[in-house]
Amino acid sequence: QKEVEQDPGPLSVPEGAIVSLNCTYSNSAFQYFMWYRQYSRKGPELLMYTYSSGNKEDGRFTAQVDKSSKYISLFIRDSQPSDSATYLCAMKHGKLTFGQGTILTVHP
Amino acid sequence: NAGVMQNPRHLVRRRGQEARLRCSPMKGHSHVYWYRQLPEEGLKFMVYLQKENIIDESGMPKERFSAEFPKEGPSILRIQQVVRGDSAAYFCASSPPDTVYEQYFGPGTRLTVT
Repeated sequence: QKEVEQDPGPLSVPEGAIVSLNCTYSNSAFQYFMWYRQYSRKGPELLMYTYSSGNKEDGRFTAQVDKSSKYISLFIRDSQPSDSATYLCAMKHGKLTFGQGTILTVHP
Repeated sequence: NAGVMQNPRHLVRRRGQEARLRCSPMKGHSHVYWYRQLPEEGLKFMVYLQKENIIDESGMPKERFSAEFPKEGPSILRIQQVVRGDSAAYFCASSPPDTVYEQYFGPGTRLTVT
């Protein structure tokens, strides 16, 4: 079993939709939870990070962590074509462990 | 403030040759990380370095791979006697000393072994 599981998709939604991206993990020692966005042929870009269970908002993005269920989510409201990218969850205990990434396409 | 810089962006090597990948961290960052991304796979941690020290190399293959971050100059990831399976995108990330969970990635080096 992988330490971090992420549905690779692909996920295709119309512009304006709410997008939900999810990861589960098995290692309860993970302390920090991050979401990265990676455009094609580019390096990952840090979107959000959280430490504790609960929600954290930043503009159209909301990160949610449920440590009791070992489950994290990223919600994107009013999705835009420019949000089309691969989204990677990552978790830290010592080193960063990444999920496989979910490919998201937002259609105009 | 310039971001993390990596060069070359693309590197082609024949089997058996050596590949040297360079990474210059963001200004003020003293921690460097190397990751490998294979097609259809996520990023895999390879090594974590601080200046002149290897902190964690648990993700590095035991043979042919080495990394350094000298007192002066960029960090180097070196792959000796490359094989086709080494073809991948190699990303470097850096972080400041007080927020090690906040890693900033470079654009990557795409290595192709022919």
